[in-house]
Amino acid sequence: NAGVTQTPKFQVLKTGQSMTLQCAQDMNHEYMSWYRQDPGMGLRLIHYSVGAGITDQGEVPNGYNVSRSTTEDFPLRLLSAAPSQTSVYFCASSYGQGGTDTQYFGPGTRLTVL
Amino acid sequence: DAKTTQPNSMESNEEEPVHLPCNHSTISGTDYIHWYRQLPSQGPEYVIHGLTSNVNNRMASLAIAEDRKSSTLILHRATLRDAAVYYCILRDRGSTLGRLYFGRGTQLTVWP
Repeated sequence: NAGVTQTPKFQVLKTGQSMTLQCAQDMNHEYMSWYRQDPGMGLRLIHYSVGAGITDQGEVPNGYNVSRSTTEDFPLRLLSAAPSQTSVYFCASSYGQGGTDTQYFGPGTRLTVL
Repeated sequence: DAKTTQPNSMESNEEEPVHLPCNHSTISGTDYIHWYRQLPSQGPEYVIHGLTSNVNNRMASLAIAEDRKSSTLILHRATLRDAAVYYCILRDRGSTLGRLYFGRGTQLTVWP
C-alpha cells in the first residue's frame, strides 16, 4: 500500500491564483481530512469527509473548498490564494471516526503565496 | 476532547531511555490517550494509544497513572531518528468527530 499520497510537494502561488491540492489513499478509509500547519504550531483542521459525497467544515475552512466523489480521493481547492494561506498542508485518513481509530497522514504540501 | 499539557522541549542522549510526560487533569473516563509524533518535514505518525492499562508496542511504551490524570511515553533507547515533535492527544471513545486536536507538543532533541 502507498498509504496517503499528496501532490504537489511544493507550490508557489501569486495572490489571487487558484489551485487544487491532491490527496489520495489506497486503504479504503472512509474518513479523510485536511489540516494546515503554520510555523511552530500544531495542526488545525480545515475540512473533513466521513465518506464519498459527505463533507463538512473544520475550524479554519474559510478560503478552501473540498469535495469527495470517490472513497480514494479528497482534493482541497484554494479559491483565491492569499499570503495568509502560506502553510504546510497535510491530508489524513482513517478507517473510522471513533476515539480509537488511528489516523494516517500524508507527507504534506508546502505552499507559499506571494 | 479534553486538553493536555506537555513540556515545550526535552533532550536526551542516543541509546538512553526517554520519558515524555503529559498532563491531562480533566480527562474523562471514556477518553483514550493517543501519542503521535512528527519527524522533521514529515506528516504526523501514530505512536501508541491506551485507556487505563500500560501499553507496549514496537515503537514505545505508554505508562498511564492510576488516576489517569497523567501519562508518560517511554522510548526505551532513543535513536537519532526519534528526534521529533511528540503530541499527546485525548480522544473520546464515543467520538464521531474524527479530528485530532494538536497542541504544540514536545520537541525532543537526541544528541549523538
